[in-house]
Amino acid sequence: KQEVTQIPAALSVPEGENLVLNCSFTDSAIYNLQWFRQDPGKGLTSLLLIQSSQREQTSGRLNASLDKSSGRSTLYIAASQPGDSATYLCAVSRSSASKIIFGSGTRLSIRP
Amino acid sequence: DADVTQTPRNRITKTGKRIMLECSQTKGHDRMYWYRQDPGLGLRLIYYSFDVKDINKGEISDGYSVSRQAQAKFSLSLESAIPNQTALYFCATSVSRTGSTDTQYFGPGTRLTVL
Repeated sequence: KQEVTQIPAALSVPEGENLVLNCSFTDSAIYNLQWFRQDPGKGLTSLLLIQSSQREQTSGRLNASLDKSSGRSTLYIAASQPGDSATYLCAVSRSSASKIIFGSGTRLSIRP
Repeated sequence: DADVTQTPRNRITKTGKRIMLECSQTKGHDRMYWYRQDPGLGLRLIYYSFDVKDINKGEISDGYSVSRQAQAKFSLSLESAIPNQTALYFCATSVSRTGSTDTQYFGPGTRLTVL
């Protein structure tokens, strides 16, 4: 059974710092991995999706990496801003036709 | 206008009542999903539908039922609500087109409280 873990559950850093959020999964036979952002009281927004054949994806100040063999993904946020404060969730799927398994998220707070 | 809408956005009800949560999408996607989110537990899949005639149970389907009335509409029902169904419920959509990224698009959520 696939399990997705995100540690720490919460993180607070000062504005301007670069930071890394971690995601680990127990079954390396994944189809893709996604990182989502969730703002309080709102739905999820997809940030980056990495197919199993890819090693990383970049969008602006965000960079997500994938190491299937070790069951790990990281989300790197450069030059953090208060507007980056949100909960970040990672999720994996086994195939294009299978359900997504979510981690419990990391609640990120950027201090001005 | 939002691509994925959910109604109601908030609902308070009593134990034993029947509740229906509705989801509509204008994205033209064939796949739709219902999740619930509880504090510290992430999102868990309740039901999913890959087209109008295809309905599948997720990991926590007990106590819930769904109806895919049309490609654009997917409703979730609680036949007899109980307090531990108090949660934030999300609808999502995705497209199965070859070459698509399988990204799921989420609605804004429905906060349900069962007293």
